[in-house]
Amino acid sequence: NAGVMQNPRHLVRRRGQEARLRCSPMKGHSHVYWYRQLPEEGLKFMVYLQKENIIDESGMPKERFSAEFPKEGPSILRIQQVVRGDSAAYFCASSPPGGRKREYEDTQYFGPGTRLTVL
Amino acid sequence: QQQVKQSPQSLIVQKGGISIINCAYENTAFDYFPWYQQFPGKGPALLIAIRPDVSEKKEGRFTISFNKSAKQFSLHIMDSQPGDSATYFCAASIFRGSTLGRLYFGRGTQLTVWP
Repeated sequence: NAGVMQNPRHLVRRRGQEARLRCSPMKGHSHVYWYRQLPEEGLKFMVYLQKENIIDESGMPKERFSAEFPKEGPSILRIQQVVRGDSAAYFCASSPPGGRKREYEDTQYFGPGTRLTVL
Repeated sequence: QQQVKQSPQSLIVQKGGISIINCAYENTAFDYFPWYQQFPGKGPALLIAIRPDVSEKKEGRFTISFNKSAKQFSLHIMDSQPGDSATYFCAASIFRGSTLGRLYFGRGTQLTVWP
């Protein structure tokens, strides 16, 4: 069973360009979470999505950032007009629909991350 | 506002020693407390987790101690090995129905185990 997949693993953009980060959840997982990690800091929640729905976007900056998880295909985190302060590692996590009997099956499993560098 | 506070920021332990990392939280609604291990350039990997209905959970060399009244929980790594050198994050979350909500992370502890 393949884990959470993210691509690209590294992304370099110039100020003002757009960045698109993709996340394919684990097979059978219908929940996706995006987190951002700045150097020497912990992970900060950005957004939580189920298929075609945004459940919690309380951690998303109000401007330039958007996320989607369409019925078919990966989840996309989109950053428009990137600035240097957007340079960070962006992690996606997925979890199953819930109600599993075995412990930990409802937890979040993280992908390897996309490291965004804005020049 | 940091919902989960983690200490120490860095920890150096000799091989074979015990590593102890502490976390504290304020929100009494939290009902799920995982620990993640992260190696440089990698994503966080779940190490062990606990629900508030138990005070201790052990898996191999890793133990979580949970004190509900003090709103604190800690990770103990027994017989620490150089391969345990990594950054450790505590986290907390709330189950909404049967689905886990967002994770609130501590700022991390960089553990170095000297051979």
